[in-house]
Amino acid sequence: DQQVKQNSPSLSVQEGRISILNCDYTNSMFDYFLWYKKYPAEGPTFLISISSIKDKNEDGRFTVFLNKSAKHLSLHIVPSQPGDSAVYFCAASALGGGFKTIFGAGTRLFVKA
Amino acid sequence: DVKVTQSSRYLVKRTGEKVFLECVQDMDHENMFWYRQDPGLGLRLIYFSYDVKMKEKGDIPEGYSVSREKKERFSLILESASTNQTSMYLCASSSTSGGQETQYFGPGTRLLVL
Repeated sequence: DQQVKQNSPSLSVQEGRISILNCDYTNSMFDYFLWYKKYPAEGPTFLISISSIKDKNEDGRFTVFLNKSAKHLSLHIVPSQPGDSAVYFCAASALGGGFKTIFGAGTRLFVKA
Repeated sequence: DVKVTQSSRYLVKRTGEKVFLECVQDMDHENMFWYRQDPGLGLRLIYFSYDVKMKEKGDIPEGYSVSREKKERFSLILESASTNQTSMYLCASSSTSGGQETQYFGPGTRLLVL
């Protein structure tokens, strides 16, 4: 049973437009959420995170929104750039969860020039 | 600059071979992890370690073992490689100081078992 779900395997966006990547989770004990970005032949790198006490966190072109009642979070990238083309993993953890972070299956973003 | 290195980028092994994947981090992190990444399944946790000589099973430990003799090094062992262990293997480390942690990943080892 996947506790963190990314239902869109891929997303294609025009350069300059907004990219919205979605993530749903089932475990209400999760209280910290992260997005990682992965280029081919490289390991994932941390992008942005949000604590469950917030509903929004912004870092430059990247904003993460958290809707706890819907158990849903989203990553907005605006404006999208060709260099943003990568696989994005949503991840969640619980304080006291034994150091485990649960990852989604990933969404591959294509930003067309 | 934080760094997690993995001993090999690509490996080709035969069924039944014993395989060692090495991971080293230079950040003095307490926690280290081994994941495998497969299409459509994301990153699945195999084993993790929160201290030297300590290890915990992740979600898919069957067919794997680990060793953590030194804080900076975490090894993944495939006792008898099988074709269904063909995958991308990713090592990560993190520190729990300050609460919730971010994991730092190595570049990955792509393993092909024939």
